[in-house]
Amino acid sequence: GEDVEQSLFLSVREGDSSVINCTYTDSSSTYLYWYKQEPGAGLQLLTYIFSNMDMKQDQRLTVLLNKKDKHLSLRIADTQTGDSAIYFCAEKVRGYQKVTFGTGTKLQVIP
Amino acid sequence: DVKVTQSSRYLVKRTGEKVFLECVQDMDHENMFWYRQDPGLGLRLIYFSYDVKMKEKGDIPEGYSVSREKKERFSLILESASTNQTSMYLCANSPRGTGGETQYFGPGTRLLVL
Repeated sequence: GEDVEQSLFLSVREGDSSVINCTYTDSSSTYLYWYKQEPGAGLQLLTYIFSNMDMKQDQRLTVLLNKKDKHLSLRIADTQTGDSAIYFCAEKVRGYQKVTFGTGTKLQVIP
Repeated sequence: DVKVTQSSRYLVKRTGEKVFLECVQDMDHENMFWYRQDPGLGLRLIYFSYDVKMKEKGDIPEGYSVSREKKERFSLILESASTNQTSMYLCANSPRGTGGETQYFGPGTRLLVL
């Protein structure tokens, strides 16, 4: 079965870049997601990448995928206090409906 | 604006009570999911449903049951609440498909079992 792992906590200064890391285990055709959860709210999709891609960029967000090491990262450029949240990595095997979520990384942005 | 609503934001129940958590979506999506979220454990899937009256066990179904009588509504039932079911419960839904369909989440219900 799928297993998705993340570190639990990251602290950065406002204006710096944040890099949140994730490892996954499934080797099939896979969609990999980043979701954001603000305090007191549900999860909201930030971006996703298919396992045949190496990189995806969307404004301040850059997703990098290392298929060999099954390692996914989310880079947030010019991190703002509004980026403080929990970030979840998630994996969905193509053809299946179920999504496996990681433990979440709590990002703290220091002004 | 698409919506996923959950019946309560906060709920306090006593051990042994039967608890109903309701989720309603207006997106006409086939798949609906119930997760619980605990610090350090992330989201764990309790049950999901891919159609009306259909259900599948997730990773931690023990102590829970579900009901899907209508497409837009998915209920999570705690038959006899226990203190270890104190948690944040999140409902989600997605369209049926084989690609990268997004899950849409409700705001969550924080349940405290005393």
